[in-house]
Amino acid sequence: DQQVKQNSPSLSVQEGRISILNCDYTNSMFDYFLWYKKYPAEGPTFLISISSIKDKNEDGRFTVFLNKSAKHLSLHIVPSQPGDSAVYFCAARGNDMRFGAGTRLTVKP
Amino acid sequence: EAGVAQSPRYKIIEKRQSVAFWCNPISGHATLYWYQQILGQGPKLLIQFQNNGVVDDSQLPKDRFSAERLKGVDSTLKIQPAKLEDSAVYLCASSSHGAVGVDTQYFGPGTRLTVL
Repeated sequence: DQQVKQNSPSLSVQEGRISILNCDYTNSMFDYFLWYKKYPAEGPTFLISISSIKDKNEDGRFTVFLNKSAKHLSLHIVPSQPGDSAVYFCAARGNDMRFGAGTRLTVKP
Repeated sequence: EAGVAQSPRYKIIEKRQSVAFWCNPISGHATLYWYQQILGQGPKLLIQFQNNGVVDDSQLPKDRFSAERLKGVDSTLKIQPAKLEDSAVYLCASSSHGAVGVDTQYFGPGTRLTVL
């Protein structure tokens, strides 16, 4: 059962522009949402999170938005840098942690 | 601070053989997780330990998979016998409960298993 979905397997943006990664979920009991970044041959690393009681959390170039009514969250990266090229996983915490399938972001110089 | 260590990094076996993976979590982290990540999918939780007790193993195929965390530190995950569909990256993660509501998991580099 795919409770967390990332419908875009890949995204390509130009350096300096905004990257927007999207994530949808089905379980309204999720109380915490996280984004992880993964480079090849490495494990995922925590990037940013948001509680279900908030609608926005910002950390430097990274901002996560949560729309509970739409069961949708997004990660904005501004400005995008080539070093941001990686696979980004959306995760949601309920009884356990559920991950999306990931979106591969490529930032072109 | 040292990260989560896993070994081996790569393993190739034939179906019906046995295999074991090892994980050493971040020092002081009470919670340890094993995930299975099949190519093109997100990580799927197999088992969660709190110290040396199992919190959640509902998605662990118990007929062939087993895991233990003796002494509440290191952990091993075993597959016996392996099937072709077990080919995946096996990720270990650990966490300690910090700020309220935060349960950030720190992942190891994973073990890539190929079953032929």
